[in-house]
Amino acid sequence: EPEVTQTPSHQVTQMGQEVILRCVPISNHLYFYWYRQILGQKVEFLVSFYNNEISEKSEIFDDQFSVERPDGSNFTLKIRSTKLEDSAMYFCASKMRGVIPNEQFFGPGTRLTVL
Amino acid sequence: KQEVTQIPAALSVPEGENLVLNCSFTDSAIYNLQWFRQDPGKGLTSLLLIQSSQREQTSGRLNASLDKSSGRSTLYIAASQPGDSATYLCAVRHNNNDMRFGAGTRLTVKP
Repeated sequence: EPEVTQTPSHQVTQMGQEVILRCVPISNHLYFYWYRQILGQKVEFLVSFYNNEISEKSEIFDDQFSVERPDGSNFTLKIRSTKLEDSAMYFCASKMRGVIPNEQFFGPGTRLTVL
Repeated sequence: KQEVTQIPAALSVPEGENLVLNCSFTDSAIYNLQWFRQDPGKGLTSLLLIQSSQREQTSGRLNASLDKSSGRSTLYIAASQPGDSATYLCAVRHNNNDMRFGAGTRLTVKP
């Protein structure tokens, strides 16, 4: 069964460093999403991406964040200069277009630890 | 702004018991509602998705209901098992693309 994959499963970085989190969505999906979950807190929406551009973003998704679909398979989240408070689990999700039940499929997540 | 609340925050039951998890949301203009399971330190496993036009969905021992007008959904788990122990998350989606999650109910089923 097709699934969303994410790499790495765990990333440790120093404060101020740039990180790129990678996702491979399900191959025929057209909508892509990033969410984050700080330890012990709710899952929060970051951004949605369709047709090579951001379609929605939350207040969390500030200028230090960017997303890209560099090729036909990968979808990346870049954090330019990481802060301690960026430590969280980051989930990627993807969805087909206009198909009931219009479900988002989630990847297993990348745990980001900023030291 | 949509707020999603889940009650209770934690629940502990003996094996075999039937149980109900509750989810409420403040804006009833939703597109769909989805229940997830999350094991500690792991990702999200989708359990059931209910479209706004539907009243319930069933999968095995799970049944989810939706009352959009009152802003409520319930997840019913029949004959609970220790393997059901996890955090259960409710998430609602509007016609835009983001989903709003509740904080979850942490379920423990004791053998």
